[in-house]
This record gives sequence, C-alpha cells and structure tokens, in this order.
Amino acid sequence: NAGVTQTPKFRVLKTGQSMTLLCAQDMNHEYMYWYRQDPGMGLRLIHYSVGEGTTAKGEVPDGYNVSRLKKQNFLLGLESAAPSQTSVYFCASSYEAAGVSSYEQYFGPGTRLTVT
Amino acid sequence: KNQVEQSPQSLIILEGKNCTLQCNYTVSPFSNLRWYKQDTGRGPVSLTIMTFSENTKSNGRYTATLDADTKQSSLHITASQLSDSASYICVVSAKNQGGKLIFGQGTELSVKP
Repeated sequence: NAGVTQTPKFRVLKTGQSMTLLCAQDMNHEYMYWYRQDPGMGLRLIHYSVGEGTTAKGEVPDGYNVSRLKKQNFLLGLESAAPSQTSVYFCASSYEAAGVSSYEQYFGPGTRLTVT
Repeated sequence: KNQVEQSPQSLIILEGKNCTLQCNYTVSPFSNLRWYKQDTGRGPVSLTIMTFSENTKSNGRYTATLDADTKQSSLHITASQLSDSASYICVVSAKNQGGKLIFGQGTELSVKP
C-alpha cells in the first residue's frame, strides 16, 4: 500500500516549456487535490476532483490544467511555465471531501519545480 | 475574510521540554480543525482532526485543544524529541464553501539536543 505517490520528485524547466506532474493513489479515494506550497504562505489549492472524469478550480488555478481519466490518477499540467510557478507541488487524496467530513487527507511527498 | 494565523512563526526548544503552538482562525461557519506535521522535504501528515463538539484530542505526545467560542486552537507537545523538529500546520475548514480547507503558514519547530 504505497498511499499517494508523485512523479517526478524534482524538475527544472525553462520559461515557456510544458510539463505534466503525475499523482497516483491506491486507497480508492474519490477526492483528489493539487496544492502548491510557497515560502511564508500556507498551502493553496490549485485544482481538485470529486471523482473520475470530474475536475474543478481551486484558489489559484491560472496557468494550470488537470485531468482525472482514471480514479487513481490525477494529472497537473503546466502548458507554458513561468518563473512564478516555481514552487513545491503536493497532491492529496481523501475518501470524502476533507473539509466537510472528518476523513483524513493524505498527502504525497511533493514535487519541487524550478522555472528559470 | 477566512484566515488562519499561527504563532509563533518559529520556535527552538531543548529535547525533553514541552511546548505549545497556537492557532487563531476567523473561519465561519466552522466545520473542523486539523493539525498536520510536515517534515522537511515531505508532505504533511495528519496529527489530529477536531469537530465543533470536540475540545481536546490526543495522538501520543501531541494534544490539540479547541475553543470554538474564541476561535482558538493549540497543539501541545510533551517531552519533545529530536524527531519532533518539523513544521506544524493548522488547517480550518468552512461548512459553506464546499469544505474548503484554509491552511495556516505553519510554525517551524526545532528541537535541539
């Protein structure tokens, strides 16, 4: 039982390049989330999904796209990377909506992205 | 505006000592409050989750308290260990925003031998 995994762990991009971050969970969770964490700030929600085939915008969605084609996977795409997207990205999953229930939200180990 | 403020920003204590971290929030209507531990280079890990009706919850040497009237929570760490060195994050969710989680900036705890 691996929990939540993320690939890659580190990545350096040049401005304008594109990439996809992959998140996978093996807990059969319906809800999946993408966050970014920047120094001195709390985690901020980028996009989330309430089930296979669904996605929704979070607090800071601009410049990112997501897809949830399979229940266990949640992809985060950067179409044209900008230096402002330099951050640590965390994926998380939960059985039900973490905010309205007392279900645990499980986080992946993070992807450290630098855009030069 | 829904906000979560944590204090202090950082804290250094000696191994074996106790400490208390604070969390004040303005989130309303309140759904639940969580404390997470985040080791350097890792994702956050849940320590406790408290709903409106709970005013204390323990997880080993970690004890969280909640005062929903004053909108304050604290995390007390007893007999600290070197492995307690981490960032501790308070997270509050609002009932009326689809369960949106509002994260505090965290308190950076360093336990020295």
